[in-house]
Amino acid sequence: GQQLNQSPQSMFIQEGEDVSMNCTSSSIFNTWLWYKQDPGEGPVLLIALYKAGELTSNGRLTAQFGITRKDSFLNISASIPSDVGIYFCAGPDYGQNFVFGPGTRLSVLP
Amino acid sequence: ETGVTQSPTHLIKTRGQQVTLRCSSQSGHNTVSWYQQALGQGPQFIFQYYREEENGRGNFPPRFSGLQFPNYSSELNVNALELDDSALYLCASSPNFREQFFGPGTRLTVL
Repeated sequence: GQQLNQSPQSMFIQEGEDVSMNCTSSSIFNTWLWYKQDPGEGPVLLIALYKAGELTSNGRLTAQFGITRKDSFLNISASIPSDVGIYFCAGPDYGQNFVFGPGTRLSVLP
Repeated sequence: ETGVTQSPTHLIKTRGQQVTLRCSSQSGHNTVSWYQQALGQGPQFIFQYYREEENGRGNFPPRFSGLQFPNYSSELNVNALELDDSALYLCASSPNFREQFFGPGTRLTVL
């Protein structure tokens, strides 16, 4: 099946800083989803992308569907303590079934 | 609008036992997928149900089985539990085969 890689694996930032993370795949995707997961809870959908080059925002979050269709990027501006969590990218494997990346763990220092 | 709900929240079983986990889809969603999430990893796809039929399956053995009911709620059954089955089990419903919306999960511990 398709594999997703996320970088960085983890990051520590100061409150107020901007954050960038990315996700790459071994093959072309036609959909990218970005999720955030808090400890002990299910992932929450942040942004969905459907077209190469698409740039979509959700508040302080902005995600882009890479031109090559093999990557996607998530940016968080002016980070706050509640941004702490694990961010996952996901895309369709076969049919409508989704494969998830290993996640980027974000820690925000006050 | 009620989101995806799962029960129970936590469960402890012993090796060899059987377990049933339950999921209620978000209103208007006719597709349900189940995922297994081990500690420190991303969710791994188990299977998907659409209109009460299995619509895709990941790399999990047959002792993982499921059902979807006419009201689109779903069950995940696991037989002959093994220690490695300890994980967070997530249910996700979808209205359109694109976005998936997750429930809070069931934490299963196998001793």
